[in-house]
Amino acid sequence: EADIYQTPRYLVIGTGKKITLECSQTMGHDKMYWYQQDPGMELHLIHYSYGVNSTEKGDLSSESTVSRIRTEHFPLTLESARPSHTSQYLCASSRGGGQGAFNDEAFFGQGTRLTVV
Amino acid sequence: KNQVEQSPQSLIILEGKNCTLQCNYTVSPFSNLRWYKQDTGRGPVSLTIMTFSENTKSNGRYTATLDADTKQSSLHITASQLSDSASYICVVADRGSTLGRLYFGRGTQLTVWP
Repeated sequence: EADIYQTPRYLVIGTGKKITLECSQTMGHDKMYWYQQDPGMELHLIHYSYGVNSTEKGDLSSESTVSRIRTEHFPLTLESARPSHTSQYLCASSRGGGQGAFNDEAFFGQGTRLTVV
Repeated sequence: KNQVEQSPQSLIILEGKNCTLQCNYTVSPFSNLRWYKQDTGRGPVSLTIMTFSENTKSNGRYTATLDADTKQSSLHITASQLSDSASYICVVADRGSTLGRLYFGRGTQLTVWP
């Protein structure tokens, strides 16, 4: 069982609101990721982090921002939610570091289903 | 362009039957290929990880194969159970960057009927 947690599991919020999706892992992993997934579609990387104070944008353009102040915590923030942000957001982590990093297993959280009305 | 294609898109089988899911990829340089199981409304859970030198790997009733020459993989499920109903996602990692970027297929939605 992976020790990576996302809250909330479900969120319905009005347009224009600021929201933060929480992600925490207790495995001491250096690498953390945020993915966006629409029904029946593949996961798209929107943000990732190599470690504390390291954040990078992923492949899919996103209006969200992330921070990595602590190893175990990687929150994602939307300053002003819009209906186009409606999606499932998945957080993941992997051990990272060295050549073995390429074969590190990625552990996923349960996801946050966001609906903006 | 790095891509991962899966087939079929969806599959319905009866409980106790076997099935095989397919994955073709164009990711280069290749690092490893993973199969994940994703239950509805939950995050993906890893089933197998195979590197370039591995042809087959099993995890209980799940057996994955890899042909790195033809860039194809398959996931074989034996004696299916109702709990196998889920989306099965093929994921390929590259080694062309420090990140070890993951490329995801759209998944095969498997439904097992009693």
